[in-house]
Amino acid sequence: KAGVTQTPRYLIKTRGQQVTLSCSPISGHRSVSWYQQTPGQGLQFLFEYFSETQRNKGNFPGRFSGRQFSNSRSEMNVSTLELGDSALYLCASYGYSTDTQYFGPGTRLTVL
Amino acid sequence: DQQVKQNSPSLSVQEGRISILNCDYTNSMFDYFLWYKKYPAEGPTFLISISSIKDKNEDGRFTVFLNKSAKHLSLHIVPSQPGDSAVYFCAASAPSGNTGKLIFGQGTTLQVKP
Repeated sequence: KAGVTQTPRYLIKTRGQQVTLSCSPISGHRSVSWYQQTPGQGLQFLFEYFSETQRNKGNFPGRFSGRQFSNSRSEMNVSTLELGDSALYLCASYGYSTDTQYFGPGTRLTVL
Repeated sequence: DQQVKQNSPSLSVQEGRISILNCDYTNSMFDYFLWYKKYPAEGPTFLISISSIKDKNEDGRFTVFLNKSAKHLSLHIVPSQPGDSAVYFCAASAPSGNTGKLIFGQGTTLQVKP
């Protein structure tokens, strides 16, 4: 089975711009979660989508949003980028048969 | 409010010896715990997990112990190998039981010296 894939792997944006990141879960997985990793804050939960509905949300401003499509692929969007949004953004899909989240390689976002 | 804590930022051990990584949590409603290993610029890789109904789970060289009364878990790696050098994160399922949301510790960097 192919793993979780994320595109793009690297991205450079400037302050004020917006960005969209994409995630394709493991085939058959319907839950997709997003996390932000920064040196100071560690790995923090952004939100989770299941069957195209947001099921859980972390403590992030409204500039961070996401959606999920009928094929379980997910996108997250960050509007009005700030320098502090520079981070590794990780996507994970959940397998109910193994009761485990599996992570993709991440998208490294740099905001200049 | 750091609900999952890994108080040791780093650990160095000799190849062949035991590595013990520790993790504490504050929320007694957490019922499922996982350990992930992470290399720079890669996503975390699942290692091993444990449910709150157990106190030990073993998988090859990796064993996780859970002490619910102390709200403490530990990961034992025996024997340690240089390829084990990485950042290790412990994580807990949110109290709602919704396994789509994990609360992570800050991570411990393990260095295994040849």
